[in-house]
Amino acid sequence: AQSVTQLGSHVSVSEGALVLLRCNYSSSVPPYLFWYVQYPNQGLQLLLKYTSAATLVKGINGFEAEFKKSETSFHLTKPSAHMSDAAEYFCAVSFPGGYQKVTFGIGTKLQVIP
Amino acid sequence: SQTIHQWPATLVQPVGSPLSLECTVEGTSNPNLYWYRQAAGRGLQLLFYSVGIGQISSEVPQNLSASRPQDRQFILSSKKLLLSDSGFYLCAWSIVAGEKNIQYFGAGTRLSVL
Repeated sequence: AQSVTQLGSHVSVSEGALVLLRCNYSSSVPPYLFWYVQYPNQGLQLLLKYTSAATLVKGINGFEAEFKKSETSFHLTKPSAHMSDAAEYFCAVSFPGGYQKVTFGIGTKLQVIP
Repeated sequence: SQTIHQWPATLVQPVGSPLSLECTVEGTSNPNLYWYRQAAGRGLQLLFYSVGIGQISSEVPQNLSASRPQDRQFILSSKKLLLSDSGFYLCAWSIVAGEKNIQYFGAGTRLSVL
C-alpha cells in the first residue's frame, strides 16, 4: 500500500525566507510523486512531479523538490517566499500501472508573513 | 487543450434533500474520472473513480453514488443528504496512458448541508 505523510499541517514563514514543506512517502515499488497547490475555494493545481527521471525537479512559481530514495522523502522548497505563495500544498504518491490511483497527504497550509 | 468543468460552484441544501453534482471534461477522450471530497484538516478522500462509461468503483461506503452516462461526464448524486455530506467536492481526470498518473482538477463545489 502507498501513503504519504506531510509533516506540519501549518507552516509560517516570513516574506523572503526559505520555504520548506516536508513530505515522506511509503511505497513498495518505485513511486511517482507530486506536489499540488490549492488556493482558497479552488481546485488543485500541479506544481511539479517526479517520475523516475532527474531527482531534483523544478516546478512552477520557483518551487522545486528533491527525491531522496534513502530518506523516502520528497520535500518542497522555494528560496524566497512571496505573499502570493500563501496556499495549501498537497504531496501525493502514485505508481505505474493499475488505474492510476493517487494517494494525497492531508495538506500543509503555508502562511507568509509580511 | 483540455479543460474540466464542475458545477455548481456552491450549493446549500437541507438535510434529506437530493444531490446532483456534474463534472465534464473537454479536449480528451476516454479519460479516467475521479470524485474526491475534501474536509477541513483531512486532506482529499477519493470517493469514486471511473475508467469508462458505466464503470464506477467506490472507494468508501457512504451515502453517495456516482454515474458516468457519457465518456466525459461524471455525476455525483445522493438521494438524501446527511449533515456529514458537507464539504468541498472535487472532480479530476487523468489520461489513461501516459503522463505518469497526473490528475487534473476542477474548481470544486462547496456543499453545505443544513
